[in-house]
Amino acid sequence: DSGVTQTPKHLITATGQRVTLRCSPRSGDLSVYWYQQSLDQGLQFLIQYYNGEERAKGNILERFSAQQFPDLHSELNLSSLELGDSALYFCASSDRSRTDTQYFGPGTRLTVL
Amino acid sequence: GNSVTQMEGPVTLSEEAFLTINCTYTATGYPSLFWYVQYPGEGLQLLLKATKADDKGSNKGFEATYRKETTSFHLEKGSVQVSDSAVYFCALLPRGGYQKVTFGIGTKLQVIP
Repeated sequence: DSGVTQTPKHLITATGQRVTLRCSPRSGDLSVYWYQQSLDQGLQFLIQYYNGEERAKGNILERFSAQQFPDLHSELNLSSLELGDSALYFCASSDRSRTDTQYFGPGTRLTVL
Repeated sequence: GNSVTQMEGPVTLSEEAFLTINCTYTATGYPSLFWYVQYPGEGLQLLLKATKADDKGSNKGFEATYRKETTSFHLEKGSVQVSDSAVYFCALLPRGGYQKVTFGIGTKLQVIP
């Protein structure tokens, strides 16, 4: 158990809908990272937040957004969902902005029908 | 840009066989290199890492050596067990800057009794 929690574990929704994925980092960790894992794209970095501020951006679509709240939990919002958004979404956390060790949560499996 | 090339799987081995999973990378400067493991239904766990040339990372019988001259970080284990069955990801983190980890596609290992 990494100490990173993600909810929900599974999510099934329809095209065009909007969903919110939630992540709670390990106690004391200030950085949160979001990744998307799909069969065709592999594991891709989406975005990083550090202590409430956006720090790095990867291959995140404009339909997706994220935020980190004062209690350090983070939410990833996915809107206007398409079939191709079906994937595993992982959250990871680390204690500092530039540490090299990230701890991953169990993931949320999103299925768009 | 940065990239990680990993051998395609799946790799099927008998218990106690020798394991090698190849990984090569492209990056500017001297990145940190990692192997992560993903067991079925779980998130990624850091298996081992190396932060500079000629460093050897090791954990749970797995080893990998940071080879700058060949830009490689091959994963090895002398005697695999059924419990090692998982997907293994090679990854790099550029030195400096923020945490844009680049992952390889993952290699699925299946160990049969």
